[in-house]
Amino acid sequence: KNEVEQSPQNLTAQEGEFITINCSYSVGISALHWLQQHPGGGIVSLFMLSSGKKKHGRLIATINIQEKHSSLHITASHPRDSAVYICAVSTGANSKLTFGKGITLSVRP
Amino acid sequence: NAGVTQTPKFQVLKTGQSMTLQCAQDMNHNSMYWYRQDPGMGLRLIYYSASEGTTDKGEVPNGYNVSRLNKREFSLRLESAAPSQTSVYFCASSEVKLYGYTFGSGTRLTVV
Repeated sequence: KNEVEQSPQNLTAQEGEFITINCSYSVGISALHWLQQHPGGGIVSLFMLSSGKKKHGRLIATINIQEKHSSLHITASHPRDSAVYICAVSTGANSKLTFGKGITLSVRP
Repeated sequence: NAGVTQTPKFQVLKTGQSMTLQCAQDMNHNSMYWYRQDPGMGLRLIYYSASEGTTDKGEVPNGYNVSRLNKREFSLRLESAAPSQTSVYFCASSEVKLYGYTFGSGTRLTVV
């Protein structure tokens, strides 16, 4: 069983929709990361969370430590949000990451 | 621009050839990493360096070596490339207990 599970695997939305991407993990963590990767592109760090909620523009990330679950929400989605969204966790004193397989999001105009 | 610079962006090797992927960061981060990304799999850690002068194996180290040349630079070497090493390689850096990771733009390596 993977330590980091993401759902759904693929997601298609219409422009303007509210989108939720989920991440569950099975180990104790020191932090959870949300990353974005555009097709053929590099990887950008969106959020690092150890508790609660963070917001940046139209993106909101939440984490529930007790339930070992995090969500990434995108409000007023836009075609430029189309990308792979990757959840990763770090454990222990070092910051090595264990990654989920990523969710491919496609936002249609 | 500040960040992680990774070279080359693309490379094709023949089986058995060697090459070194270069990575440099200018953010004064202590920790640096090499990951590989394969279709249908999450990124996997090859090697990491928690600080200058130290390196440790990750999840998939076989067939690779690394050098932490100084605080800025962390190179990945393939001594004898194999088709199974065809992948996209990412270098990254971070500072423990501070926010986020910074990734390089990736190297698409094909071994034929």
